[in-house]
Amino acid sequence: KAGVTQTPRYLIKTRGQQVTLSCSPISGHRSVSWYQQTPGQGLQFLFEYFSETQRNKGNFPGRFSGRQFSNSRSEMNVSTLELGDSALYLCASSYQQGRDSPLHFGNGTRLTVT
Amino acid sequence: GNSVTQMEGPVTLSEEAFLTINCTYTATGYPSLFWYVQYPGEGLQLLLKATKADDKGSNKGFEATYRKETTSFHLEKGSVQVSDSAVYFCALSPTGNQFYFGTGTSLTVIP
Repeated sequence: KAGVTQTPRYLIKTRGQQVTLSCSPISGHRSVSWYQQTPGQGLQFLFEYFSETQRNKGNFPGRFSGRQFSNSRSEMNVSTLELGDSALYLCASSYQQGRDSPLHFGNGTRLTVT
Repeated sequence: GNSVTQMEGPVTLSEEAFLTINCTYTATGYPSLFWYVQYPGEGLQLLLKATKADDKGSNKGFEATYRKETTSFHLEKGSVQVSDSAVYFCALSPTGNQFYFGTGTSLTVIP
């Protein structure tokens, strides 16, 4: 089975621009989550989708948004980029709802904002 | 609330040494507990999990036991290898729609 695929792997943007990141989950997985990883803050939860519905959202400004399509693929958008948005953005999928279901991560998209 | 506290790194060990990485948690309800490993330039990989008190998760020689009485989930390995060098994350999942991660512990194993 193919793993979680994130595209692109690297992005360089300037302040004020917007960016869209893409995530294809493992086949059959219906839950997709997004996390931001930085050296200072570690892994911070952005949002989680299940069957095209956002079930949970972390404490990020409204500039961060996401969506999930009917094939479970997900996109994350960040508008009006700031220098502090530079981070590794990780997408993860899981097979089912419930606390026992582990997350399976992609290799991430490294976003650099200049 | 929910949170995970991991021992500070970095940790440097010689090959074949014993490894312990401490993890304690605070949680509402009865969470599942996980250990993930991250190699340079990659995402996190599931190492092991435990879903209820006294469960022991194990994989690739690593073990961790879910201790409800001490709210701990310490990671252990009897004999580390150079290939175990990575960053290790402890995590908890109270409900499944959000995971809480520790800050990560960097491990370097020298030959």
